[in-house]
This record gives sequence, C-alpha cells and structure tokens, in this order.
Amino acid sequence: DGGITQSPKYLFRKEGQNVTLSCEQNLNHDAMYWYRQDPGQGLRLIYYSQIVNDFQKGDIAEGYSVSREKKESFPLTVTSAQKNPTAFYLCASSPRFGLAEPLQGDTGELFFGEGSRLTVL
Amino acid sequence: DQQVKQNSPSLSVQEGRISILNCDYTNSMFDYFLWYKKYPAEGPTFLISISSIKDKNEDGRFTVFLNKSAKHLSLHIVPSQPGDSAVYFCAASQGAYSWGYQKVTFGTGTKLQVIP
Repeated sequence: DGGITQSPKYLFRKEGQNVTLSCEQNLNHDAMYWYRQDPGQGLRLIYYSQIVNDFQKGDIAEGYSVSREKKESFPLTVTSAQKNPTAFYLCASSPRFGLAEPLQGDTGELFFGEGSRLTVL
Repeated sequence: DQQVKQNSPSLSVQEGRISILNCDYTNSMFDYFLWYKKYPAEGPTFLISISSIKDKNEDGRFTVFLNKSAKHLSLHIVPSQPGDSAVYFCAASQGAYSWGYQKVTFGTGTKLQVIP
C-alpha cells in the first residue's frame, strides 16, 4: 500500500545527543514536510522540500536539519542545539509542484505519517 | 501570532446529534481551508476542504461552511458517531502557487468526544 512511513515511533534521547527521524514515502509525491506538535498547539512547520536536493526552513527550523537526497526520503535530524526537543514529530507529503491551480479532484491535502514521539531524558 | 484559531479546546456531543467545530482566521490572504482529523499517536488525516470561492462544501455527514467576511469557518458533523471522537484541526493556506508547496497554517485543534 502507498503511504508514508516514519520511524522510530518512539525514541528516547539523552540531552546533548543528536537524533535522526526517518520519513519514507512511496506515493511519488514531490513535496515533503516536517511538522512538530506540542500539547495545546497546532502543527508547526519545521522544514519543507519541494524537490530533490532542495529544502527550505519553516517557522521553527532552529536546532533541526534535513536532507532530501532521494524523492522518497526526507530525514530530520534533531540536534543538541534544539532547546526543547521533546515533542511529537509528523512527516507529510503532497503530490504536486509548481502548479498555479489544483487539478480536478485535487483536494490540496497533506498526507501524513503516523508520527514519531521523541522524549529527551 | 496565531493566524488560525480554534477557541474551543474540547467539545462533547451526544451520539446522533450535530457537532459544530469552529475556526477563525486573521489572514485575509488565506484562500483555501482544510479540516483534518487526528487520533492519538497517529498522523492527521484529511477530512474535507473548501476554497474561498465557495461558502459551503458537503461530503456525506461532514459539511464545512465558510464566512469570508467574518473570517470564520465551521465543520458540521451530522449525525455524530462515537468513531468521530478525535482531535480536529482547522488549516488554511494561501497563494496562487501554493499547490506545489502547501504552506499551511494549522489551528490548535478541538478535541471532540461523542458520547454513546
């Protein structure tokens, strides 16, 4: 089945350690995203990538890094510079790039993975 | 600055009744709105959307209403079912070129509980 796979589902990290969250999609989508969810807050955009070998900072990119070497993969590294890394991380993708308007039947939705919960001890 | 607001953190509704979830936005440039449903420890899933050229969109038990002058949208679920119990996020995007990259702003979510 097509979808987005995030791993690991749960991760514990000691302070000062970097950790990488995996995100793989087999939907053949151009764009991929990383969001962070904290209690009582909406989803906040960390990084996004519209195409392979290109990515842009979102609203809260400090302390995070990404790469987009393959269309299917968009890993997120939470570095020791991230002051408050404990959160639920969501990877998403969307199918199209560079269109001015949606095609017929295109809902404009983001497709999300099941998330990774990171806890810093 | 919260551009998309869901002022009710939670809502309880009896099974079979109508659930109304509200969302307000401040950015007049938003021109496309979506609702997502999220179960605990899972990713959100798309529910329904509406373009700013419409004021209503319906899909089965779910209807979204958009009032542009009030910068307000609402999601109606009729009839509500226990399986609808989840967190609902309102989201908004803008720009004619947003279809490749969905620069989406999410609300804080409303937790709906449907009581059997």
